[in-house]
Amino acid sequence: KAGVTQTPRYLIKTRGQQVTLSCSPISGHRSVSWYQQTPGQGLQFLFEYFSETQRNKGNFPGRFSGRQFSNSRSEMNVSTLELGDSALYLCASSLVGLGSTGELFFGEGSRLTVL
Amino acid sequence: DAKTTQPPSMDCAEGRAANLPCNHSTISGNEYVYWYRQIHSQGPQYIIHGLKNNETNEMASLIITEDRKSSTLILPHATLRDTAVYYCIVRVGNAGNMLTFGGGTRLMVKP
Repeated sequence: KAGVTQTPRYLIKTRGQQVTLSCSPISGHRSVSWYQQTPGQGLQFLFEYFSETQRNKGNFPGRFSGRQFSNSRSEMNVSTLELGDSALYLCASSLVGLGSTGELFFGEGSRLTVL
Repeated sequence: DAKTTQPPSMDCAEGRAANLPCNHSTISGNEYVYWYRQIHSQGPQYIIHGLKNNETNEMASLIITEDRKSSTLILPHATLRDTAVYYCIVRVGNAGNMLTFGGGTRLMVKP
């Protein structure tokens, strides 16, 4: 079956703009989480959504937000972009509940460059 | 989630076994050991996980010490395509997707 799909794969924005990234989880997976990866900070957890509700949130400013739709697809938004927001943004999905072993399946990421 | 310690880098000859250690001395009884790897510029890939017994799948073997304070990921016959950063993560199973990634081990497989 299809894996986690993230769009767009690459994008360039300028400071002050906002960006929306999209993630389609594996069919049947209801939990979606987002991670930011930068050379300096490594992989950092942003937030997790399950059944359209935010379940966990990492230590990021309010400019970073997300949501999940009824079909489990998720979007994340970053407003008022800063140079430091340049990063690879990764989405992961997983099964939750009976049958789950806790493994996450990651997409290929959306690489954001802020100029 | 318990903290893990991994060597920052390791080399391995192609065709030989790669043994990647991970220390997790503060692991709790209900926490699993998970291994992921990330090949350059791709999303992390799940490899294997275990609670206290040794585990093996088509990709690797996971050896967990009896006291569960450390573990070793074994790639039995490393290939150039196994060059990646390997992350050891300790967490409660089925407890959401909030993973704490450390620096991992950068494994370089050399011809």
